Amino acid sequence: DQQVKQNSPSLSVQEGRISILNCDYTNSMFDYFLWYKKYPAEGPTFLISISSIKDKNEDGRFTVFLNKSAKHLSLHIVPSQPGDSAVYFCAASAVTDSSYKLIFGSGTRLLVRP
Amino acid sequence: SQTIHQWPATLVQPVGSPLSLECTVEGTSNPNLYWYRQAAGRGLQLLFYSVGIGQISSEVPQNLSASRPQDRQFILSSKKLLLSDSGFYLCAWVSNYGYTFGSGTRLTVV
Repeated sequence: DQQVKQNSPSLSVQEGRISILNCDYTNSMFDYFLWYKKYPAEGPTFLISISSIKDKNEDGRFTVFLNKSAKHLSLHIVPSQPGDSAVYFCAASAVTDSSYKLIFGSGTRLLVRP
Repeated sequence: SQTIHQWPATLVQPVGSPLSLECTVEGTSNPNLYWYRQAAGRGLQLLFYSVGIGQISSEVPQNLSASRPQDRQFILSSKKLLLSDSGFYLCAWVSNYGYTFGSGTRLTVV
């Protein structure tokens, strides 16, 4: 049972355009969401997060939107750059869970074409 | 400073052989520690987590086990590897600054 889903395994966009990566979750106890970027043979690196008390969080070219009623979040990258090409993982956790474990989606491979 | 070490970086093991992957953290005490696996074409799956010495929680039934013999040491083991154990294994810990991942171990079972 996948609690966090990324239904698009890959996305290709032109440099300078917007990249939109989507993520859905099923567990209503999740209240903290994160996006990670991962290159092959490396550990994921943190990009941006959002708490359930917000519906938007921005950090430079990266913006995460949260729609709690739809249990959906998205990561917007604008403008996209070739260096953004990587696999992006959405992750979720529940503050009430003292283990602080993260549940990850299956990832979306982003390719930014020059 | 807070760092996480994971080794080896790559490992090729025959089916049926044992496995031991080690993860250590520095610069913190009593961290929550995690083992994740990324199988080919798959996402990051949580395998085990530990909130303290000797405390192990398993998330999925499998051929692997984990141990935490010391506060800052987390070990992933198997007595007999299967082909399906191949993947990229990541150790992680959580602090007030969020999750930090190790550099990972690429395990290929042949």
